[in-house]
This record gives sequence, structure tokens and C-alpha cells, in this order.
Amino acid sequence: DSGVTQTPKHLITATGQRVTLRCSPRSGDLSVYWYQQSLDQGLQFLIQYYNGEERAKGNILERFSAQQFPDLHSELNLSSLELGDSALYFCASSVGTSQETQYFGPGTRLLVL
Amino acid sequence: GQNIDQPTEMTATEGAIVQINCTYQTSGFNGLFWYQQHAGEAPTFLSYNVLDGLEEKGRFSSFLSRSKGYSYLLLKELQMKDSASYLCAVIDGNNRLAFGKGNQVVVIP
Repeated sequence: DSGVTQTPKHLITATGQRVTLRCSPRSGDLSVYWYQQSLDQGLQFLIQYYNGEERAKGNILERFSAQQFPDLHSELNLSSLELGDSALYFCASSVGTSQETQYFGPGTRLLVL
Repeated sequence: GQNIDQPTEMTATEGAIVQINCTYQTSGFNGLFWYQQHAGEAPTFLSYNVLDGLEEKGRFSSFLSRSKGYSYLLLKELQMKDSASYLCAVIDGNNRLAFGKGNQVVVIP
């Protein structure tokens, strides 16, 4: 158990819908990262927040957005969902910068039908 | 842009040694991680290299050559539980972490 929690574990929804994925970092960690993992693309970095502020941005679509709240939990919002958005979404946390070990949550498996 | 290349799959026998290679081309470099990922599970940290040379940690060792854009992960005394995907990840000059597609290691008795 890494100490990072993610909800829900599984999510099934339809194209065009919007969903929110939630992540709680390890106690004491200020950085939260979001990743998308699909079979053909591997693990893709989406975005990083540090202490409530956006720190780094990867291959995140405009239909996706994220935020980190004062209590340091984070949410990833996915809207206008397409079939290709079906993937495993991981959240990770670290104490500070991306040069530190990231601890991954168990992931949310999203299936868009 | 970032380009991280790993071989896709290898099979090795229990008790053997296996070397997993990773080559990278990134805009700047701030370190390289190796993660292990079992199917359907979250990646777990194995090692971190930022300076050239070999880092040893039990049965696992990781090597880095920054001038060659090259790293390897060495797994010794292979066990069945080592069957997993091994991901190389590089931090670029903008502190973004980019993962390779991973190398699937299958350990057979």
C-alpha cells in the first residue's frame, strides 16, 4: 500500500459524458501527478500540481482539467468523453519536486462505451 | 520532445540475471527512474539515477551514462515474482517525467 488513494476504482460511462476522478496523496506529500495508461500508449504524464499550483503539464487534452485543493487532494475532470479515453488513470504523489520518488495510487479504470 | 526507447519483451529463467536497457533523448535531463509494474497494478519505485555510474540495491542495480543517453536495470537471482513490466522514466529539463513503454520480463522455472 503506497498511501495514495484513488476513487472510484472502476467507472463505466457513455461517450459525451463527464466524470471526475479523485486522488488523496500520501500524508506530507505536496505534489500530485496524473497519468493515463492505455495498452498502446504506455504511461502518459498528464499534469502535476504542487501545493495547489499547476507545476508541469504533459500531454493533457483540452477536454481534461485538474485541480489541487487546499487539503492537497486532487481531482481530474474528463469531459466530452470519447471511446479512446478508456484507460487506467493513475495518480501519484511525492514530497516535493518531480526529482523525488513518486508513489502511485491503485488507479481508476475508466471504460467509455 | 522526448523519446524513450525500451525493448518490448524478454524471457529469462529463474535464478538467472537479466539486463533491461533504456535509451533516451530529451530536452535537458534531471534524472532517471526505474519502476516495476505488475499487470493491472500501480508502478512501484525501484531506483533513481542522476549521476553517471552504478547504483546497487539488493538484487537490483541501475546504471546511467548521461553522455550516451543510456541506462540499464540489472536484475539478479531472478524470482518468479519478478515477472512484470519494467518502466524507464526520464525527467527532462522542464521537470516533466516521461515514461518509456516498458519492458515485459517473463520469468520461467
